[in-house]
Amino acid sequence: DQQVKQNSPSLSVQEGRISILNCDYTNSMFDYFLWYKKYPAEGPTFLISISSIKDKNEDGRFTVFLNKSAKHLSLHIVPSQPGDSAVYFCAAGTNAGKSTFGDGTTLTVKP
Amino acid sequence: DAMVIQNPRYQVTQFGKPVTLSCSQTLNHNVMYWYQQKSSQAPKLLFHYYDKDFNNEADTPDNFQSRRPNTSFCFLDIRSPGLGDAAMYLCATSRELGGLSSYNEQFFGPGTRLTVL
Repeated sequence: DQQVKQNSPSLSVQEGRISILNCDYTNSMFDYFLWYKKYPAEGPTFLISISSIKDKNEDGRFTVFLNKSAKHLSLHIVPSQPGDSAVYFCAAGTNAGKSTFGDGTTLTVKP
Repeated sequence: DAMVIQNPRYQVTQFGKPVTLSCSQTLNHNVMYWYQQKSSQAPKLLFHYYDKDFNNEADTPDNFQSRRPNTSFCFLDIRSPGLGDAAMYLCATSRELGGLSSYNEQFFGPGTRLTVL
C-alpha cells in the first residue's frame, strides 16, 4: 500500500510558465511534507518543506500548498526555467519517524 | 563542503558474490539511511541508524546487512546478490529523526549503481 502517490509520471511545460506537480497521501498522521529534486547521476536534493500546521510555504520561485482535508499537496514553480528539468519526489513523514517517498514526476521545461 | 559521499559510484558483482557499498558524511548528522531505488520508482528505505541504534524495515530481506562503525561511516553489505538486487543504492543523512520538519531534511549521496551479472 503506497502511502504517498505522485500520479503523473511526467510533466512538460514551456519556459516562463507555471509548473504544478501534485502529490496525494493516505496517512492522516503525517506531520510534515518535503519535495526533493533529482538530476540524472545525482542523489535527490532537498527543495522545500511544509509542516502539517501550515497550508502554504514559499521560497523564491517555489511554493508548496497543502490541503489536509483532501490529503493533497502541490509544488508550484513560477516561472519555470530549463534548469528546473529534473525528477521531483514528494515525501511525507511523522514526527516519530522517517519519510516515505512517492515515485517521482519527471518535469521537462522546454525553452 | 559538508557532504555525503558514496563509493564506488558504479559496482559490478557476480550473482551470489558478496559486495559492500560504503557511505561517509561530513555533516555530523545523527541519522544515516540506506535506500534502494529501481527505475521510475520511489526510493525504498532498507534501514536506518540513529547514532548506533540500528532499525531494519520489516520487508528488508535478510540478504541485506548494515554496519555503522562510527558517526561518519555506514556500510551496506549484500551477502548473496541476486539479479533482482541490481539497483541504485542511495545513502542519506538527517540531523534528527522526527521533531521539526527542518531536522528531517535528508541529504543524499550521489548513489552507487549496482549491476549483478
